[in-house]
Amino acid sequence: AQSVTQPDIHITVSEGASLELRCNYSYGATPYLFWYVQSPGQGLQLLLKYFSGDTLVQGIKGFEAEFKRSQSSFNLRKPSVHWSDAAEYFCAVGATGANNLFFGTGTRLTVIP
Amino acid sequence: DAGVTQSPTHLIKTRGQQVTLRCSPISGHKSVSWYQQVLGQGPQFIFQYYEKEERGRGNFPDRFSARQFPNYSSELNVNALLLGDSALYLCASSPQTGRARSPLHFGNGTRLTVT
Repeated sequence: AQSVTQPDIHITVSEGASLELRCNYSYGATPYLFWYVQSPGQGLQLLLKYFSGDTLVQGIKGFEAEFKRSQSSFNLRKPSVHWSDAAEYFCAVGATGANNLFFGTGTRLTVIP
Repeated sequence: DAGVTQSPTHLIKTRGQQVTLRCSPISGHKSVSWYQQVLGQGPQFIFQYYEKEERGRGNFPDRFSARQFPNYSSELNVNALLLGDSALYLCASSPQTGRARSPLHFGNGTRLTVT
């Protein structure tokens, strides 16, 4: 069975600082991995996805994530955070042949001036 | 093009009542999924439909049911509401078969409060 762990419930960073949000997954084979962002009162928006190939994937809004099989991790990064990045971030994993995603519990990002 | 639309946006119901939530997918998308997001948690899978057939079901009681119509819109029904059913219900559509590798496009959700 798949599962996702996001160890950080809440992170606060200063505007302009770098950001790394952690995600660890559990799955026997190569998973499909996703990062979604959710602003208050909104649905989820896809930031980026990993299926196979290059382990560093680029997404929208300047985000990137790196798949590390040895660490079962798929951490999200951004070199310089903007105030508009304040939101809830969810990592999700999907299995080959499955019809659904398993989401982590999310990391809430606060950006301070 | 319009995104995934859900109605109503907010709903307040009493324990024991029944509720129907509606979802219209992005034009051309044939797969619709439903997720429940309890406050402070990540979304949890309820159902997935593709071409009007149920393709997946999460670990939810039989009080939860859904269907997909010929125009690919979908309804989620919950009977005998419990306080624990209070959550944001998210609908997502995808253009392909709905397999896990198909990125999901989410609506803004329906906020259900059970009192």
